Amino acid sequence: DIQMTQSPSSLSASVGDRVTITCQASQDTSNYLNWYQQKPGKAPKLLIYDGSNLETGVPSRFSGSGSGTDFTLTINSLQPEDIATYYCQQYDNLPYTFGQGTKLEIK
Amino acid sequence: QVQLVESGGGLVKPGGSLRLSCAASGFTFSDYYMSWIRQAPGKGLEWVSYISGSGSIIYYADSLKGRFTISRDNAKNSLYLQMNSLRAEDTAVYYCARERSGSYYYWGQGTLVTVSS
Repeated sequence: DIQMTQSPSSLSASVGDRVTITCQASQDTSNYLNWYQQKPGKAPKLLIYDGSNLETGVPSRFSGSGSGTDFTLTINSLQPEDIATYYCQQYDNLPYTFGQGTKLEIK
Repeated sequence: QVQLVESGGGLVKPGGSLRLSCAASGFTFSDYYMSWIRQAPGKGLEWVSYISGSGSIIYYADSLKGRFTISRDNAKNSLYLQMNSLRAEDTAVYYCARERSGSYYYWGQGTLVTVSS
């Protein structure tokens, strides 16, 4: 199975900050990488697919980049509603696998 | 609009069985791969299984093979997960989700399975 490692595991930032979360795959996943946002008690929400494509309706302050084994989710100008846990997920190989999550808090 | 509604969760003793259901509406169910994804309390997401639109292609996470069985009834627009020989570590919220080329845009609200004596 492909292992997905996110860093950091938790992050505290201020409103308006630029936030970066990284995801590293244990082997090449091309660009078959998604990013999800999950708020407490809710199902995950798809933010980014194919590594860098913004899902419809997702604010443009979210962006994804990377390919191969190294990927990044960036939030430009952090907003209070962005408080959540973020997960990466590879879909290059079965079984699909998720990173362990990055919990984002507001300072 | 697309709706996915899970049911069937609850408290079960170790070694017991449970069958989860997911009722789908708002789209042509047989056109889509469907998946089960779970989340243990306070933990991350774990992909469990998927099934093709026709039901002919099925895949499981390695750790679950032999204990869990995914199935679907396209006439009833329903997805199922039969879980046998349940263990404490199977305690989780189980989500059904509609797949789009490896991505999950539509999710249900989840159903909680608790395995405890």
